[in-house]
Amino acid sequence: NAGVTQTPKFRVLKTGQSMTLLCAQDMNHEYMYWYRQDPGMGLRLIHYSVGEGTTAKGEVPDGYNVSRLKKQNFLLGLESAAPSQTSVYFCASSYPSQFKTRPTDYDQPQHFGDGTRLSIL
Amino acid sequence: AQSVTQPDIHITVSEGASLELRCNYSYGATPYLFWYVQSPGQGLQLLLKYFSGDTLVQGIKGFEAEFKRSQSSFNLRKPSVHWSDAAEYFCAVGNTGGFKTIFGAGTRLFVKA
Repeated sequence: NAGVTQTPKFRVLKTGQSMTLLCAQDMNHEYMYWYRQDPGMGLRLIHYSVGEGTTAKGEVPDGYNVSRLKKQNFLLGLESAAPSQTSVYFCASSYPSQFKTRPTDYDQPQHFGDGTRLSIL
Repeated sequence: AQSVTQPDIHITVSEGASLELRCNYSYGATPYLFWYVQSPGQGLQLLLKYFSGDTLVQGIKGFEAEFKRSQSSFNLRKPSVHWSDAAEYFCAVGNTGGFKTIFGAGTRLFVKA
């Protein structure tokens, strides 16, 4: 049981290049999240998804796009990378589908991947 | 404005000593409160959470936290620290339905022999 898996783990880009970060979870979770972590700032939510085919903006969505075509995957795209996007990116998931109601527990990120360290030169 | 403050950027404690990590929050509604731990090179792991009820919450790895509404605090404690507890700890506040969990900047814990 892998939990939440992020690929790649490290990447260096040049300004203006594009790339996609992949997040995969095998826990049948409905909710998935993308965060960025910067020194001294904690985690900030970029985008999130409450289910297959749905996405929504978080606190810092500018410069990023996301897609949730399959329930188990949540992709984060950078169309034109900028040095300000140098960060560590974390994916998280929560809310097992077997719950018929929506318990308050599961609005919060429960399981995190190990992160993707992205540097943009 | 909603915010979470962790006043200590880093703390050093001796192995076997007690630990208290501070967390203060500002939140308009009844808060849901969380503590996460992050080991180097890894993602965050949920230690414990408070939604309602008993203000003393037990978590994993021997940690506990106490919600004090009058002080707007949710401090994390452990009676005896182990070397494996060295990590970064994040306090977070949120509520249901809004996906607006706010994370503090973190406190890095160093454990000395």
